[in-house]
Amino acid sequence: QSVLTQPPSVSGAPGQRVTISCSGSRSNIGAGYDVHWYRQVPGTAPKLLIFGNTDRPSGVPDRISGAKSGASASLAITGLQAEDEADYYCQSYDPSLGGVVFGGGTKLTVL
Amino acid sequence: EVQLLESGGGLGRPGGSLRLSCAASGLSFSNHAMSWVRQAPGKGLEWVSGISAGGSDTYHADSVKGRFTISRDNSRNALYLQMNSLRVDDTAVYYCVKRNSAMFGFYFDSWGPGTLVTVSS
Repeated sequence: QSVLTQPPSVSGAPGQRVTISCSGSRSNIGAGYDVHWYRQVPGTAPKLLIFGNTDRPSGVPDRISGAKSGASASLAITGLQAEDEADYYCQSYDPSLGGVVFGGGTKLTVL
Repeated sequence: EVQLLESGGGLGRPGGSLRLSCAASGLSFSNHAMSWVRQAPGKGLEWVSGISAGGSDTYHADSVKGRFTISRDNSRNALYLQMNSLRVDDTAVYYCVKRNSAMFGFYFDSWGPGTLVTVSS
């Protein structure tokens, strides 16, 4: 069981908007630690999508955004495209658990 | 462009040892903290070990503490993971990752393609 809780799966039609939630606790996200997001196409390495709750690395389109509130965070993808179909992971920090913690991952299916 | 390339994966026996290596290029390696992250087949991501830029500080997840050792050779732009007392549940793809600092916490902005470690008798 992962420290950060994500829904196992979400889906949406092309062009729609989807959100993926990431729920933590008072010892990690709720303590003020930043949340980061990664996208992983099966069979390949994860790629950084959002860092510092809301910032995008260069090359990530602005239809992908992150937000954080309290002990939870979310990733939003608008204008859904077939290439968005992948697994998504949130990540934060929890000193009570020894350091970096990940969510269990969410599989996004584009219908 | 940062490039990280892992090697050393393969079949290990329970109780045995393996040593993973990661060759880094395209960055001032000695200026960056590094980590290993693993992913068991069909499972999520798990942070394994981390090391400071200079190599003086190391950190390990409880699941590998006392069995795995992370190290680096900045003169060779190389990161290592010595894996001893291997267990079947160490079976995973191991990723070499470059760590970056957020305002509060850390994230991983570059990943290698990964190397598969299979522990089986």
